[in-house]
Amino acid sequence: NFMLTQPHSVSESPGKTVTISCTGSSGSIASNYVQWYQRRPGSAPTTVIYEDDRRPSGVPDRFSGSIDSSSNSASLTISGLKTEDEADYYCQSYDSSSSVEFGGGTKLTVL
Amino acid sequence: EVQVLESGGGLVQPGGSLRLSCAASGFTFSNYAMSWVRQAPGKGLEWVSGVSGSGGSTYYADSVKGRFTISRDNSKNTLYLQMNSLRAEDTAVYYCAKTLSSGWYPRFDYWGQGTLVTVSS
Repeated sequence: NFMLTQPHSVSESPGKTVTISCTGSSGSIASNYVQWYQRRPGSAPTTVIYEDDRRPSGVPDRFSGSIDSSSNSASLTISGLKTEDEADYYCQSYDSSSSVEFGGGTKLTVL
Repeated sequence: EVQVLESGGGLVQPGGSLRLSCAASGFTFSNYAMSWVRQAPGKGLEWVSGVSGSGGSTYYADSVKGRFTISRDNSKNTLYLQMNSLRAEDTAVYYCAKTLSSGWYPRFDYWGQGTLVTVSS
């Protein structure tokens, strides 16, 4: 089965830059789009990146997404970290059988 | 403004049934595939089911196949999830999510606030 693997947690200081990885287990992660979702405690998920590197309106340009085919991974980069960025982040994609997969989630701590 | 609002959650005994609803507004409902995603306590997001914009194609995670049925009423701008033979492991907050297209290429852009389903005796 197609799986996406994320680090369990990352931490960084305010104002710094952090990158969260999402590695595909099989096939090419570039074959289908990757999305990234933010889930703050007590709130519903929101979309911060869709179709690999596109930002929904209202999401600050501090958030960016990319794909690295050589490592079969996607990345979410957040620059100029703010305390409000502290949340769980999930990557998501889908496979040729139309099944949807989420990564296990990464807890971002801004300290 | 795009809005999706879930309802229908609650406490149900193992083996019981429940139907969730998701009322949509702010967009042409029939033009977009929709989905249900859940999050169990202390766990990550798990995709449950999806349906194309027309309702003609449906998709399920293996964990719910044969027990859950997704449907939509485009005249009422409402998405449904009929859940039967419920198990303790189905306990979760269930989110309704809108996708970016009519066909099933699941890229979620808007999410509801979720409705809690608790399966317990």
